[in-house]
Amino acid sequence: NAGVTQTPKFQVLKTGQSMTLQCAQDMNHEYMSWYRQDPGMGLRLIHYSVGAGITDQGEVPNGYNVSRSTTEDFPLRLLSAAPSQTSVYFCATLQQGFPSGANVLTFGAGSRLTVL
Amino acid sequence: ILNVEQSPQSLHVQEGDSTNFTCSFPSSNFYALHWYRWETAKSPEALFVMTLNGDEKKKGRISATLNTKEGYSYLYIKGSQPEDSATYLCASNSGGSNYKLTFGKGTLLTVNP
Repeated sequence: NAGVTQTPKFQVLKTGQSMTLQCAQDMNHEYMSWYRQDPGMGLRLIHYSVGAGITDQGEVPNGYNVSRSTTEDFPLRLLSAAPSQTSVYFCATLQQGFPSGANVLTFGAGSRLTVL
Repeated sequence: ILNVEQSPQSLHVQEGDSTNFTCSFPSSNFYALHWYRWETAKSPEALFVMTLNGDEKKKGRISATLNTKEGYSYLYIKGSQPEDSATYLCASNSGGSNYKLTFGKGTLLTVNP
């Protein structure tokens, strides 16, 4: 049981290049999401999905695309990278049945992206 | 977009001290308040989730309270240890939904031996 797996852990891009951050989970969680973490900004929601075929925008969606063709995978695509997208990206799934009965997020290990 | 505020931004305490932080959030359409612990170079890990006004949760030396009417939560650490050093994040759900958690910027706690 690997939990939430993100790849790659580190990536350096040039401005204008495209890439995909991968997120895979083996917990059969319906909800998956992408956050970015920047100094002094906390975690900000980029996109999320409540199930296969369903995606929605979060707080900072511009410059990013997502798709959800399977329950297990939720890739984040940068079509034309910009220096402002330099950040640490976290994929998170919703774990149901936390002791209080409410749901909590289970995070991947993070992907550090630098755009030059 | 919810406005979730945490204070203080950072905190230095001595080993053995007890400490507490604050998280404030909009009380309208409240669904749940989360606390996460985030160590450097690791992923955030859930500490508590609280949904009811007056909720109190405890995990070892760490506890949390919730006031949904006035929109705040406190996290307490009793007898701080160096291994408690981390960033503590709170998050609240927006629009009465279980999804779209909005995080505060966190409180960075450093416990000196």
